[in-house]
Amino acid sequence: EPEVTQTPSHQVTQMGQEVILRCVPISNHLYFYWYRQILGQKVEFLVSFYNNEISEKSEIFDDQFSVERPDGSNFTLKIRSTKLEDSAMYFCASSPPGINTGELFFGEGSRLTVL
Amino acid sequence: GDSVTQMEGPVTLSEEAFLTINCTYTATGYPSLFWYVQYPGEGLQLLLKATKADDKGSNKGFEATYRKETTSFHLEKGSVQVSDSAVYFCALYKAAGNKLTFGGGTRVLVKP
Repeated sequence: EPEVTQTPSHQVTQMGQEVILRCVPISNHLYFYWYRQILGQKVEFLVSFYNNEISEKSEIFDDQFSVERPDGSNFTLKIRSTKLEDSAMYFCASSPPGINTGELFFGEGSRLTVL
Repeated sequence: GDSVTQMEGPVTLSEEAFLTINCTYTATGYPSLFWYVQYPGEGLQLLLKATKADDKGSNKGFEATYRKETTSFHLEKGSVQVSDSAVYFCALYKAAGNKLTFGGGTRVLVKP
C-alpha cells in the first residue's frame, strides 16, 4: 500500500542551525501539508501546498519556515534558524487529486529536538 | 476560530470493555468531522469520518455520529482489544482553507 515517508525520523540540532525535513508523498497525490505536534499539545496545521505554491499557511509558519518541492517526488520543510520552541514532531501529509475531503495520508513523523 | 476539544487521557481499559471518547467542536459553517488514530510508532491514519449532520461514521468496530445540535462527534467501541491501544484524534475539516483542525488527542491503553 502506498505511504508517505519522512526522513529523518529524529534530528537533534543546535539552536540557530538550519534544518531540512524531507517527505516523499504518495505518488499521485497533488496536495501536500506539514503539521506539527509539540510534546503534549495539539497537532497544529503549518502549511498546505498545491501546484508548486503555498495555498494556506498558519500564523506559526513565519519567515523562518519555507517549503519546497524540488523535484517530482520530494516535499521539504526548511527551518532557517531553529529555536528551542521548534522542538516538536513534524508530520507530512498528502491528499489525492479531486475535491478536497479532509482525508489526509500522514507520514510517521520527524522528531526535531533543538538544544 | 475553529476548535476541537476532546477528553484528556490516558484512558485505561480492560479488554472487551466499552470505550467512549468525547469530542466537541466549535466552527462556523458545516465542517466535516473525523477521527484519526495513531498507533505506536506510526503516523496518523484516518479511522472514520462524517460529512454532515446525523451521519454516522464507522470502521473497525468504532462508530461516531455527527450531532450538530450538541456540536459533538463522540467515538465509541463496544468491545475493545489490546490492539486498539493508540492515540485517538478528533478533527474537523473545512474545504475553505483546506486544513484539518485537531483536538489534543486521547491516549487509550487496553490491558489484557
